[in-house]
Amino acid sequence: SQKIEQNSEALNIQEGKTATLTCNYTNYSPAYLQWYRQDPGRGPVFLLLIRENEKEKRKERLKVTFDTTLKQSLFHITASQPADSATYLCALGGDTGRRALTFGSGTRLQVQP
Amino acid sequence: EAGVAQSPRYKIIEKRQSVAFWCNPISGHATLYWYQQILGQGPKLLIQFQNNGVVDDSQLPKDRFSAERLKGVDSTLKIQPAKLEDSAVYLCASSGFTGNTIYFGEGSWLTVV
Repeated sequence: SQKIEQNSEALNIQEGKTATLTCNYTNYSPAYLQWYRQDPGRGPVFLLLIRENEKEKRKERLKVTFDTTLKQSLFHITASQPADSATYLCALGGDTGRRALTFGSGTRLQVQP
Repeated sequence: EAGVAQSPRYKIIEKRQSVAFWCNPISGHATLYWYQQILGQGPKLLIQFQNNGVVDDSQLPKDRFSAERLKGVDSTLKIQPAKLEDSAVYLCASSGFTGNTIYFGEGSWLTVV
């Protein structure tokens, strides 16, 4: 069956360091992958989209890589700040054209000042 | 631009009672989604509409859940009768077309006691 795995344990890092979050998937051939941020009590907010033919995408302090051979995406936040503390969800889509996004369970990031 | 609107924000009901959630998507968005998010998990798709037609309801528990999107704009999600395991956040989302960025509402928190 299709599976999306994200680290269930919280990631704790010091302010100023780079946070790296992992998203692995199996039995899936997504056309694109998205990353969302979710704060407690709020709905997810879109951050970045990367397509299957793209290796890397950047937006300000955010960087996403997508390796369709390894079936893995890495999400990096450079120069992390306490305000970056949140849960980060990866989502896969596009394997059948019309199907909606399938989400992982998310990884909680805590940036210590 | 107004975001996705949902109501009610919070609801507590007893098991076997019924509840209805309302969603107003971003103006002009043809695709509307209802996701269920249980605490500690990622959002799980319940139903996807394209205009007023159902694209995917394969994960909707049809014996107790129903959803409609009359006139291709607003949508309602109903649960009857509710079970304890229905306690979750019900997230409505919309997109310009399937495969594009999804915009989420703040969610409707349901507690079944």
